[in-house]
Amino acid sequence: LAKTTQPISMDSYEGQEVNITCSHNNIATNDYITWYQQFPSQGPRFIIQGYKTKVTNEVASLFIPADRKSSTLSLPRVSLSDTAVYYCLVGDFFSGNTGKLIFGQGTTLQVKP
Amino acid sequence: DGGITQSPKYLFRKEGQNVTLSCEQNLNHDAMYWYRQDPGQGLRLIYYSQIVNDFQKGDIAEGYSVSREKKESFPLTVTSAQKNPTAFYLCASSPAGSYEQYFGPGTRLTVT
Repeated sequence: LAKTTQPISMDSYEGQEVNITCSHNNIATNDYITWYQQFPSQGPRFIIQGYKTKVTNEVASLFIPADRKSSTLSLPRVSLSDTAVYYCLVGDFFSGNTGKLIFGQGTTLQVKP
Repeated sequence: DGGITQSPKYLFRKEGQNVTLSCEQNLNHDAMYWYRQDPGQGLRLIYYSQIVNDFQKGDIAEGYSVSREKKESFPLTVTSAQKNPTAFYLCASSPAGSYEQYFGPGTRLTVT
């Protein structure tokens, strides 16, 4: 599975848009990009998943350039409750693979009032 | 309510004792997973199971054992052979081949 690199931490203020970028230079053709959110002492929660271009759901957008070597999670108008660790994962989940998720250290987002 | 449950939330054991962590899901998911998380670190995969009566080692399986006798249950035993068992343990499940895993609330195990 492709290795990912994310910033260790980020700070933001309430109401701002936050963009967290993940590098995955060795992404394979069949790999998808998935983001999870984790609050302290809780299990991670799925946020969004994509393969290329742009994906948007009710909580976030995911931007993936044409070469797919990086991706950016965009959180619009963050609030204090968005303070959490955000993980970027890359893998092939559809070809009979193990379904293994490899979590790096993630990005700790601190939203300030 | 559909979901995945883990019990207990906190568990304390003496060194040298085996301990079993419970994980149950009523989501009818085929796949189940056990992860370990240490402070300030990401999750690491211990064991996973794609179907009943079959399971595979993850990246850090040494000192752990699992069983999958029923689709909804995937208990994890932390044996005395695990050198550093104190950690936060998370169980997850997913439909077969899905990128979306559903996590339980976790069990925090402390071994002294």
